Amino acid sequence: AQSVSQHNHHVILSEAASLELGCNYSYGGTVNLFWYVQYPGQHLQLLLKYFSGDPLVKGIKGFEAEFIKSKFSFNLRKPSVQWSDTAEYFCAVNDGGGYNKLIFGAGTRLAVHP
Amino acid sequence: GAVVSQHPSRVICKSGTSVKIECRSLDFQATTMFWYRQFPKQSLMLMATSNEGSKATYEQGVEKDKFLINHASLTLSTLTVTSAHPEDSSFYICSARDSQGANYEQYFGPGTRLTVT
Repeated sequence: AQSVSQHNHHVILSEAASLELGCNYSYGGTVNLFWYVQYPGQHLQLLLKYFSGDPLVKGIKGFEAEFIKSKFSFNLRKPSVQWSDTAEYFCAVNDGGGYNKLIFGAGTRLAVHP
Repeated sequence: GAVVSQHPSRVICKSGTSVKIECRSLDFQATTMFWYRQFPKQSLMLMATSNEGSKATYEQGVEKDKFLINHASLTLSTLTVTSAHPEDSSFYICSARDSQGANYEQYFGPGTRLTVT
């Protein structure tokens, strides 16, 4: 069965610091990978996704993620965070099967201090 | 952009009663919708996959007789929590997949917070 692990449960940064959130998945076949963000009181929004091609994926709001197949990883990065990036971040994977079920990681709560 | 709504956003009910939660895709058609449950400070757990015009597919450990899912149209899926108990209190989130979309993106609703007293 697929699973997703996010290593950091709670991250606290100052504005302008760099961010990297880890995500590893377990599945031997072809996968589609996603990062979602949930701002306080809001619904989940897609930050970026990887299906195939260039393993370095750029998303909205300056976020990017790199797919490293050999490490089963899809880490999220942002060179300089802002206070408005305070949110919960979820990594998710699906196998591209008929229903495209998403399996989510536990989430990382990011707090950015001014 | 694709918008998914849920109603109600918040509901409080007494133990033993049933509660229906609606999930609607507002500007697109969705043959497939998903229902998730999120406990405080935890991730989303997929409960079931809802397909328009057919029976839902439940994940292992989810009681299909307790969590009734109906996907009667291309824009509406409902989740009914039957004979609710306090342990059913949770945040329920739906998502919908655009039937016309060429990718695998799901669009999420804002969630429904259920409290069973």
